[in-house]
Amino acid sequence: RKEVEQDPGPFNVPEGATVAFNCTYSNSASQSFFWYRQDCRKEPKLLMSVYSSGNEDGRFTAQLNRASQYISLLIRDSKLSDSATYLCVVNSRFKDSGNQFYFGTGTSLTVIP
Amino acid sequence: NAGVTQTPKFQVLKTGQSMTLQCAQDMNHNSMYWYRQDPGMGLRLIYYSASEGTTDKGEVPNGYNVSRLNKREFSLRLESAAPSQTSVYFCASSEDRRGLVTQYFGPGTRLLVL
Repeated sequence: RKEVEQDPGPFNVPEGATVAFNCTYSNSASQSFFWYRQDCRKEPKLLMSVYSSGNEDGRFTAQLNRASQYISLLIRDSKLSDSATYLCVVNSRFKDSGNQFYFGTGTSLTVIP
Repeated sequence: NAGVTQTPKFQVLKTGQSMTLQCAQDMNHNSMYWYRQDPGMGLRLIYYSASEGTTDKGEVPNGYNVSRLNKREFSLRLESAAPSQTSVYFCASSEDRRGLVTQYFGPGTRLLVL
């Protein structure tokens, strides 16, 4: 079983639409959770961290459900510039080996004019 | 700050050739990582270094070696390149700020092995 699973999409949505991505993780001891954005042929960049209480950054809202082990990202009022691949990332900390990050394969979003 | 830098950006090798991918970070992070990214596979960890002087294998270490030269630099070496090592390689470093660990990536190295 993969550590982190995401629906690869693609999601093709019109400008102004609301779109939601979900991700599940297998290790209940995971400690930190993130959404990264990756543009074509570029490196992943941190979009936002995800907290248990939920957090919002402008048009982006992230939620974490530890009981069900899933993470979500909601994008409101989609812009053309939101077109990218969104990676769900989970961090676990180990005493001897430090921090380990586990990546989903990414969900592709295309916002259409 | 430059963040995480990688060289080279692109490289073409013939099967059996060797090369070293360089990575450096100027953020004073303890942990550094090497990943490869292939279509449909996501990012897979090759090696990581939790601190200066230590290195450990990740998910796909075969065919690679690493050196944590100092706190800033973490290099990845392919001793005898194979076509299966054609990929995009990303170096990353991470910080632990009051329990929240965040990872930052370099721009990547695109490697083609013929």
